[in-house]
Amino acid sequence: AQTVTQSQPEMSVQEAETVTLSCTYDTSENNYYLFWYKQPPSRQMILVIRQEAYKQQNATENRFSVNFQKAAKSFSLKISDSQLGDTAMYFCAFMKLGGSEKLVFGKGTKLTVNP
Amino acid sequence: GAVVSQHPSRVICKSGTSVKIECRSLDFQATTMFWYRQFPKQSLMLMATSNEGSKATYEQGVEKDKFLINHASLTLSTLTVTSAHPEDSSFYICSASLQDSYEQYFGPGTRLTVT
Repeated sequence: AQTVTQSQPEMSVQEAETVTLSCTYDTSENNYYLFWYKQPPSRQMILVIRQEAYKQQNATENRFSVNFQKAAKSFSLKISDSQLGDTAMYFCAFMKLGGSEKLVFGKGTKLTVNP
Repeated sequence: GAVVSQHPSRVICKSGTSVKIECRSLDFQATTMFWYRQFPKQSLMLMATSNEGSKATYEQGVEKDKFLINHASLTLSTLTVTSAHPEDSSFYICSASLQDSYEQYFGPGTRLTVT
């Protein structure tokens, strides 16, 4: 079974600064996707970024980028120029390809952006 | 983008009664829908996966007779909590995915309180 570990229960950052959230995972699969989801106080889950395991290039979406280290099974999220609206829970998630497309979530990191 | 709705957004019911939660994909046909449960300050735990026209696949430890899932059409899945008890109080979230797509679109969630 796959597991996803987020070792930082809470983090804080000053507005406009950069923060990195950690995520490691354990799997014997070779074909999979990794995701970062954001859950603001409204509790609506929002996809932040997705990485296909077969791609070596790190995914980037505007201020959000990942550092995907497949051999180390590490998938960290970097948020640049942090904004107050980035305050939320962030969940790292794993999906095995070719199966039932289930998402396995980490426990989450609560990020607070301070003005 | 793809929009998923849930109804109701919050519901309070008495112990021993049943409550139904609807999950609808508003602008796409969802071949697969997923039901998650989220306790306060915790991660999302997958309860079951449902495919249109077939029986749901439940995760280990989830009582299928207690959490009835019906996926009668490509745009609607329902979760019925039967004989609800206070320990069933939680936040229930559904998601839906398109055929051949690995992205899940999440509903806004339903807060269930059993008194």
